[in-house]
Amino acid sequence: GNSVTQMEGPVTLSEEAFLTINCTYTATGYPSLFWYVQYPGEGLQLLLKATKADDKGSNKGFEATYRKETTSFHLEKGSVQVSDSAVYFCALNLPLQGAQKLVFGQGTRLTINP
Amino acid sequence: EPEVTQTPSHQVTQMGQEVILRCVPISNHLYFYWYRQILGQKVEFLVSFYNNEISEKSEIFDDQFSVERPDGSNFTLKIRSTKLEDSAMYFCASTSGSEETQYFGPGTRLLVL
Repeated sequence: GNSVTQMEGPVTLSEEAFLTINCTYTATGYPSLFWYVQYPGEGLQLLLKATKADDKGSNKGFEATYRKETTSFHLEKGSVQVSDSAVYFCALNLPLQGAQKLVFGQGTRLTINP
Repeated sequence: EPEVTQTPSHQVTQMGQEVILRCVPISNHLYFYWYRQILGQKVEFLVSFYNNEISEKSEIFDDQFSVERPDGSNFTLKIRSTKLEDSAMYFCASTSGSEETQYFGPGTRLLVL
């Protein structure tokens, strides 16, 4: 079946530290991969995505590269800020005609201390 | 910027009661979804809806659950007889159909006592 595994949280870092949140997936077919972020009290927001192997998604200083050979989509940021504190979800979607179905990882809570 | 909205933000109900969770998807979107997240667990797909019918549903979405688009703007999830294990955050999402990105609402936190 299709599944996503994320690194266990919570993760606590100091401001300006380097961030990596690991994500690996299992899928039949060729999924699209996503990172969603949930800030306190808010819904899930798309952070970035990649739709095929070797694509790099990027947004707000975050990056993730679709690695088919390692079935991974690790999230990185070179210098985190306090405002990056949130829960991060890795997800996959098998692109089909019509309705989609996201499969999520368990989420990683990130706290950035000043 | 258009967004998905959900009401209520929180709901507390007694076991066995019916609840209706409401969502207003983005106005030109065609596909609608419900997901749930039990505290500390993964976000799980419940159901997708297109053209006034269910496209796909998960094994969680049993006979106690139903969805409806009663008018041109609302999309609802009804739980007929709530159980303790229905306590979760419920997220609504929508897509346009021309792109695969799903846009999520802020969620409704349901607590069944």
